[in-house]
Amino acid sequence: AQSVAQPEDQVNVAEGNPLTVKCTYSVSGNPYLFWYVQYPNRGLQFLLKYITGDNLVKGSYGFEAEFNKSQTSFHLKKPSALVSDSALYFCAVREGYSSASKIIFGSGTRLSIRP
Amino acid sequence: DTEVTQTPKHLVMGMTNKKSLKCEQHMGHRAMYWYKQKAKKPPELMFVYSYEKLSINESVPSRFSPECPNSSLLNLHLHALQPEDSALYLCASSHAGSTGELFFGEGSRLTVL
Repeated sequence: AQSVAQPEDQVNVAEGNPLTVKCTYSVSGNPYLFWYVQYPNRGLQFLLKYITGDNLVKGSYGFEAEFNKSQTSFHLKKPSALVSDSALYFCAVREGYSSASKIIFGSGTRLSIRP
Repeated sequence: DTEVTQTPKHLVMGMTNKKSLKCEQHMGHRAMYWYKQKAKKPPELMFVYSYEKLSINESVPSRFSPECPNSSLLNLHLHALQPEDSALYLCASSHAGSTGELFFGEGSRLTVL
């Protein structure tokens, strides 16, 4: 079965500093990987995905993620953090190769940006 | 603004009540999903519909009954729920095909008394 792991429950960063939120994956076959963000009492918002091609994927709100096959990682990054980036971040993987397949979420990482 | 609309936003029900959660999307997506999310936890998949047919049921108790009347609508019928079923219920949709990301609604927060 496909799975993703987020090793950090919480990441604290000062505003203006770069941020990284870690994700590792375990898949058989080609990985289809996603990052989502969730603000309090809201649904999840899609940030970016890796399907194939360039290992550096750019997404919404200035976020990007680096796919590393040898390390089976898909870390989320941003060069300069904003206080408004404070939220819950989920890495996810699609299990299966049809529209009826599941998207499985990691445990989540709470990102806190201090002014 | 989300293009997946969920109603109601909040629902309080007793254990003997029957209620329904509704979800609507007009993006032409042919896959629709129900997820359950407890506080500070990841969403847990409940059901997947593909082309209006139930394709995945994650061993969800029968007190939850999904329905997909057409390609734009997804319902979740609730009956005889337990207090531990209190959670945020998220609906999502995606394009057909395996690479599509999910588009989520804002969720329906359910409290079972």
